[in-house]
Amino acid sequence: QQQVKQSPQSLIVQKGGISIINCAYENTAFDYFPWYQQFPGKGPALLIAIRPDVSEKKEGRFTISFNKSAKQFSLHIMDSQPGDSATYFCAASDQTGANNLFFGTGTRLTVIP
Amino acid sequence: DAGITQSPRHKVTETGTPVTLRCHQTENHRYMYWYRQDPGHGLRLIHYSYGVKDTDKGEVSDGYSVSRSKTEDFLLTLESATSSQTSVYFCAISEPGGNQPQHFGDGTRLSIL
Repeated sequence: QQQVKQSPQSLIVQKGGISIINCAYENTAFDYFPWYQQFPGKGPALLIAIRPDVSEKKEGRFTISFNKSAKQFSLHIMDSQPGDSATYFCAASDQTGANNLFFGTGTRLTVIP
Repeated sequence: DAGITQSPRHKVTETGTPVTLRCHQTENHRYMYWYRQDPGHGLRLIHYSYGVKDTDKGEVSDGYSVSRSKTEDFLLTLESATSSQTSVYFCAISEPGGNQPQHFGDGTRLSIL
């Protein structure tokens, strides 16, 4: 059973456009929500993360929006570039155990020049 | 890249054979994790370690065992490989404490025929 649901599965965006990836969760114990970026043949790399005490976090062109009441969070990539073409994973963890992460199923983003 | 080396990077083996994957870190991080990545499932936690000789099961631990005899090495063993264990395996490391990021290696692609 997928604890974090992610959509869409794939996304095609024109260069300069906005890419939006959505995730939802049920476990209210989750309190850390990272996003990972993965290029082919490489491991996932941490992109940006948020805690539920804030509704938005921005780092450069990447923004996480967080809606605690709806148990949803999303990644916005502004001014998308061909170099952003990768697979993106949302994840969630709680404070118990060893910070174990529960991942979404991934979104393959393609940015067309 | 965080100092994480996975070996081998690729392996093809036959059903019923034992397989051991190695994760080596140079960061002296306390926590280490093994994930598998499959299409449509994202990354799923197999086992994790919170110190030397201290390990615990993750979401998909059946058919896998792990060992950690020193801080820098975390081994994943498939005692008798099955075709359903064909996957890409990732090791990750993190520091203890809430919301500490996990850093991933570049994975091992394992094919079981």
